[in-house]
Amino acid sequence: DGGITQSPKYLFRKEGQNVTLSCEQNLNHDAMYWYRQDPGQGLRLIYYSQIVNDFQKGDIAEGYSVSREKKESFPLTVTSAQKNPTAFYLCASSGVGGPGANVLTFGAGSRLTVL
Amino acid sequence: KNEVEQSPQNLTAQEGEFITINCSYSVGISALHWLQQHPGGGIVSLFMLSSGKKKHGRLIATINIQEKHSSLHITASHPRDSAVYICAVLPSYNTDKLIFGTGTRLQVFP
Repeated sequence: DGGITQSPKYLFRKEGQNVTLSCEQNLNHDAMYWYRQDPGQGLRLIYYSQIVNDFQKGDIAEGYSVSREKKESFPLTVTSAQKNPTAFYLCASSGVGGPGANVLTFGAGSRLTVL
Repeated sequence: KNEVEQSPQNLTAQEGEFITINCSYSVGISALHWLQQHPGGGIVSLFMLSSGKKKHGRLIATINIQEKHSSLHITASHPRDSAVYICAVLPSYNTDKLIFGTGTRLQVFP
């Protein structure tokens, strides 16, 4: 079945370490998104990409980096510059027309904890 | 003030009850999404609508563009409906980025 696979599901990191969260989709979707979820807050957009080799900053991009070398893959790196990285991270994708024309498909999420 | 407000924040119900969750927003929109997040964290899209009403099984979503308001209704609620329900809008001023509400936590007891 088509869908989005995020890995790892749980990740622990020491302060000062970079970590990379994987997001792979087999839906042939052009647009992919990374969101961060914190308790009591709505999802916030970190980065998004509407086409291979192109991506844009979202509302909270500082301390994060992404790449989009393949249509299927949109990995997120949480760098040591991110001051409060402990959160639940969700990857999503949408078809032609984006969220104005399509529902989003979400991965199962990755929970990052900084020790 | 958040651009997307949901009410109530928490809701408990007995199995079989009719449930209504409300979403109000303050910006012009191109579309509105209703999402469901289960305790494990995964999110499922329920509806995308820009006018009128949509129905899927026991779920009904309505939107009133003039009043900037949407409702999600669950008929004959069941314990498996227990989840967080999230409203998100796509603002007309930026159709790349959804704005999310903080969610309504629903618990349905047998």
